Amino acid sequence: IAGITQAPTSQILAAGRRMTLRCTQDMRHNAMYWYRQDLGLGLRLIHYSNTAGTTGKGEVPDGYSVSRANTDDFPLTLASAVPSQTSVYFCASSDGQFTDTQYFGPGTRLTVL
Amino acid sequence: GQNIDQPTEMTATEGAIVQINCTYQTSGFNGLFWYQQHAGEAPTFLSYNVLDGLEEKGRFSSFLSRSKGYSYLLLKELQMKDSASYLCATMDSNYQLIWGAGTKLIIKP
Repeated sequence: IAGITQAPTSQILAAGRRMTLRCTQDMRHNAMYWYRQDLGLGLRLIHYSNTAGTTGKGEVPDGYSVSRANTDDFPLTLASAVPSQTSVYFCASSDGQFTDTQYFGPGTRLTVL
Repeated sequence: GQNIDQPTEMTATEGAIVQINCTYQTSGFNGLFWYQQHAGEAPTFLSYNVLDGLEEKGRFSSFLSRSKGYSYLLLKELQMKDSASYLCATMDSNYQLIWGAGTKLIIKP
C-alpha cells in the first residue's frame, strides 16, 4: 500500500453502538489526525497525535477517543454512537507537526441511526 | 474568535481564469493552505503561503496578504477536471489548522 488507508469505506450504525474507524499509513509520518467533515462546515479536528504514544484533543473531541500504539495506526473509537456523529471522517498524516503538508485518507462515511 | 470566510460556490467557463478569495481571522498565524477536494474524495494539497506575495505553481497560483488577513487562489486555463471544492485553511498559534467551509467551483464548457 502507499499512503493512507481507512476502513470501513462506509458504515450504518445503530445509536448506542460502539464503533472503531481504522486508519493506517505507510509513509512513516510522525503526526496523524482525525477530522470530520459536515455539509456546509469546514473540516473539524477531532483528535491528533504528534508522535507514537501521544495524543491530543482537537476542536470537537467529545464522544471520541483515539490511541497511537505505533507509528502506522491511529484508530478512532466512538464509544456510544449518537446521530449527531453522522459525518464523513478523514484521517490524515504529516511528516512533522502541524506546519507540514497533511495527506488525507479516502474517508469513512458514517451514518448513525 | 477564529473565522475563515470563502464563497460557497463559483461558476466559471472552461479555458478562463477564476480567483477564489479567502479572508481569515485567527489567533496567531503560521501560514495558509489551499487544498482541492473532488466530490466524494479526500482533500489534496495545492499550496502553502506563510510570507506575503504570490506563489505560482503551474496553472495555479496562491497569494497572501497577512496585514489584510486575505488570500486568493488563482486558477488559469480552466479545465473540466478543475471542478471541485477548494478549501482554505490557516494555521493558528497552536499549530492547529482552521478550515473554511470550502468553495465549490463549477466549470462550464
